[in-house]
Amino acid sequence: DAGITQSPRYKITETGRQVTLMCHQTWSHSYMFWYRQDLGHGLRLIYYSAAADITDKGEVPDGYVVSRSKTENFPLTLESATRSQTSVYFCASSDQDRIYGYTFGSGTRLTVV
Amino acid sequence: QKEVEQNSGPLSVPEGAIASLNCTYSDRGSQSFFWYRQYSGKSPELIMSIYSNGDKEDGRFTAQLNKASQYVSLLIRDSQPSDSATYLCASRTSYDKVIFGPGTSLSVIP
Repeated sequence: DAGITQSPRYKITETGRQVTLMCHQTWSHSYMFWYRQDLGHGLRLIYYSAAADITDKGEVPDGYVVSRSKTENFPLTLESATRSQTSVYFCASSDQDRIYGYTFGSGTRLTVV
Repeated sequence: QKEVEQNSGPLSVPEGAIASLNCTYSDRGSQSFFWYRQYSGKSPELIMSIYSNGDKEDGRFTAQLNKASQYVSLLIRDSQPSDSATYLCASRTSYDKVIFGPGTSLSVIP
């Protein structure tokens, strides 16, 4: 299916475990983004990527790792999950010019216990 | 100081009325502005973008931009219960980042 898909939709993990959230887009968009959304904080940028093999930190990168070996995939890894990383995570993509806004995936609700 | 500010609401309007959502931004060099709608438990969905001063209309939605006042608004005419959602304002700053506001919760009362 065309679009941007995230998996899993829901995830419960234990403190200290590594967990990877997946994001896949079929538009060949250059830019991809990871946001977290929390009550009281709105959407906060974690990492973004301008192209394959190019990534950069956003506002709240600590505790997260990203990679982008292929244009269509942009996984987000929590190296050692903490309870403060309990959140809803959204992946987004946009074209090279980024003038038309972002398209968001359906989100992953992550709970760290 | 937050870079994009919105009243958190909730804003309640009766069905059929005009809903007015407001947003201010701090980076005077911002050039692109966006409104997203987010239903509860869903992802943000782009509904309007505006780049020039003035009004931009799309169906029941009108976006207004005043760069001198650093102010963006979204008007929803003939509001419907299905418009009940959180509306996120976003700006693309002069340092090439898109910053989202905290969102305004809109409730349209039948």
